[in-house]
Amino acid sequence: GAVVSQHPSWVICKSGTSVKIECRSLDFQATTMFWYRQFPKQSLMLMATSNEGSKATYEQGVEKDKFLINHASLTLSTLTVTSAHPEDSSFYICGWRVGAEIEKLFFGSGTQLSVL
Amino acid sequence: GQNIDQPTEMTATEGAIVQINCTYQTSGFNGLFWYQQHAGEAPTFLSYNVLDGLEEKGRFSSFLSRSKGYSYLLLKELQMKDSASYLCAPMDSNYQLIWGAGTKLIIKP
Repeated sequence: GAVVSQHPSWVICKSGTSVKIECRSLDFQATTMFWYRQFPKQSLMLMATSNEGSKATYEQGVEKDKFLINHASLTLSTLTVTSAHPEDSSFYICGWRVGAEIEKLFFGSGTQLSVL
Repeated sequence: GQNIDQPTEMTATEGAIVQINCTYQTSGFNGLFWYQQHAGEAPTFLSYNVLDGLEEKGRFSSFLSRSKGYSYLLLKELQMKDSASYLCAPMDSNYQLIWGAGTKLIIKP
């Protein structure tokens, strides 16, 4: 159990284009999920927290108009990087928290984004 | 501020034991997680400590001292597949995970 599907796993795009990353829980439902970004040899950086049906809460320094999060259901959330630039190149990871059990944080497999 | 301190890199021999230390400072505390992350992959859960003491789970054990802001991950009978980064992540008063940069563990035959 606790399978999270994240895709694409790897994407290359041109500067100025938009990229959508999908994160889907396959065998469980969860209300709270997180989007992280990780640069090489650095820690995971929380970008935003979202609850199903609500607007996402973005961390300081993360532009909500640039990183659009849609959390439409208990099993699907998307992150769209709009007008991507080379500095947006990073490893993006989604994570789902199941209920109030704080141990149960399940991660997607990650998406490596390279913006040319 | 919130801070995590763990060694950047460690090297150990296959079959041996290694201890990865982590000190932390957080705004409030709701337990500490250890995750394993292989290159290019997402982290996978290893352990969670909320009370002081040692938690043993197979070849991996994790220790916590809340008064000292200190934890360690102990890996026994090291295998080549244990080569990965190990992330120490305490949870603050808002139940947010605070991530360190991780310790890259290199296992040599």
